[in-house]
Amino acid sequence: QKEVEQDPGPLSVPEGAIVSLNCTYSNSAFQYFMWYRQYSRKGPELLMYTYSSGNKEDGRFTAQVDKSSKYISLFIRDSQPSDSATYLCAMSLFSGSARQLTFGSGTQLTVLP
Amino acid sequence: DADVTQTPRNRITKTGKRIMLECSQTKGHDRMYWYRQDPGLGLRLIYYSFDVKDINKGEISDGYSVSRQAQAKFSLSLESAIPNQTALYFCATSDSQGVNQPQHFGDGTRLSIL
Repeated sequence: QKEVEQDPGPLSVPEGAIVSLNCTYSNSAFQYFMWYRQYSRKGPELLMYTYSSGNKEDGRFTAQVDKSSKYISLFIRDSQPSDSATYLCAMSLFSGSARQLTFGSGTQLTVLP
Repeated sequence: DADVTQTPRNRITKTGKRIMLECSQTKGHDRMYWYRQDPGLGLRLIYYSFDVKDINKGEISDGYSVSRQAQAKFSLSLESAIPNQTALYFCATSDSQGVNQPQHFGDGTRLSIL
């Protein structure tokens, strides 16, 4: 079993829809949770990171962490064609100064105009 | 954003060849990482380096070696390439100063081994 499981998609939605992307994890020691966005032929770029359970909002994006259920989500409101990309969740342990990341396999999202 | 530059961007080579992938950064970060990305498996850590004199194995280091030539340069070598090393390879950097510093990725090298 993988430490981090992510819905593989692909996911296709109409412009303006609310998108929900999800990951589950098995290691309760994970402390930091991140979402990366990866456009085709580009490297991943950090979209959001959170440390505690609860919600964190940044513009149209909301990251949600439920440590009791070992479940994280990324919500995109008013989705745009420019949001079409692969979204990767990532997690890290608190281990001294190390910030090694464990990634999900990614969900490919297409927002149709 | 060319702060993390990977060369080459694409490479096709044959089984048994020695290959070097290079990464250079202008972000001034002290930490550098090499990952490979495969469909359905996500990104997996190959090696990481917290400074010039520090090299650490990641999850999947077998068949790979690295060299940290300077703070800004971190290269990945495949001594004798095999077809299952065909993948997308990413270099990343991060800053040890401050809390929760994110990793910044290059645009990748697409490597095909025939």
